[in-house]
Amino acid sequence: RKEVEQDPGPFNVPEGATVAFNCTYSNSASQSFFWYRQDCRKEPKLLMSVYSSGNEDGRFTAQLNRASQYISLLIRDSKLSDSATYLCAVNSGSSNTGKLIFGQGTTLQVKP
Amino acid sequence: ETGVTQTPRHLVMGMTNKKSLKCEQHLGHNAMYWYKQSAKKPLELMFVYNFKEQTENNSVPSRFSPECPNSSHLFLHLHTLQPEDSALYLCASSQDGNTIYFGEGSWLTVV
Repeated sequence: RKEVEQDPGPFNVPEGATVAFNCTYSNSASQSFFWYRQDCRKEPKLLMSVYSSGNEDGRFTAQLNRASQYISLLIRDSKLSDSATYLCAVNSGSSNTGKLIFGQGTTLQVKP
Repeated sequence: ETGVTQTPRHLVMGMTNKKSLKCEQHLGHNAMYWYKQSAKKPLELMFVYNFKEQTENNSVPSRFSPECPNSSHLFLHLHTLQPEDSALYLCASSQDGNTIYFGEGSWLTVV
């Protein structure tokens, strides 16, 4: 089983749609979780950290489910500019070692 | 302006060449990383440096040799690479292993 797994997609959605991605992780001791956004041929950029209580930033909501070992990202009112690959990242140990393990990414394409 | 800068942005090298990738972070962080991103594969952690000491070598072949002279600079020395080493090499930094910030990457093609 991969340490971090994502559905690669692509997810094709119309503008204004709500879309959700899940990411599962295998190490139950992991403590830090993140969503990154990566545009074509660019570096990954931090979208948001994922906290135990969940967090929201505008149209984006991230949730953590420790019992089932997954994190989720919800995007409301999708914009064309949201088209990108979304990478989840999980700290590989029980402390903040900075050893982030990444999923392969989920591609989102928002259509007009 | 990005807090992590990498040079060169693009590099084409032969299998017998020796070249180096350079990374500099302007964020005052104490940890730096090299990641590799190949087509259709997840980002792979290669090396981790904390306070310029290597703390992680993720089973990387010896043809990749990192160097960290101080907390702000990181190099990746390349020699006798193989075509399958062609990839995007990403440098990153963090403070105390928290959120990682990436540079724009160096696109490497081995011919």
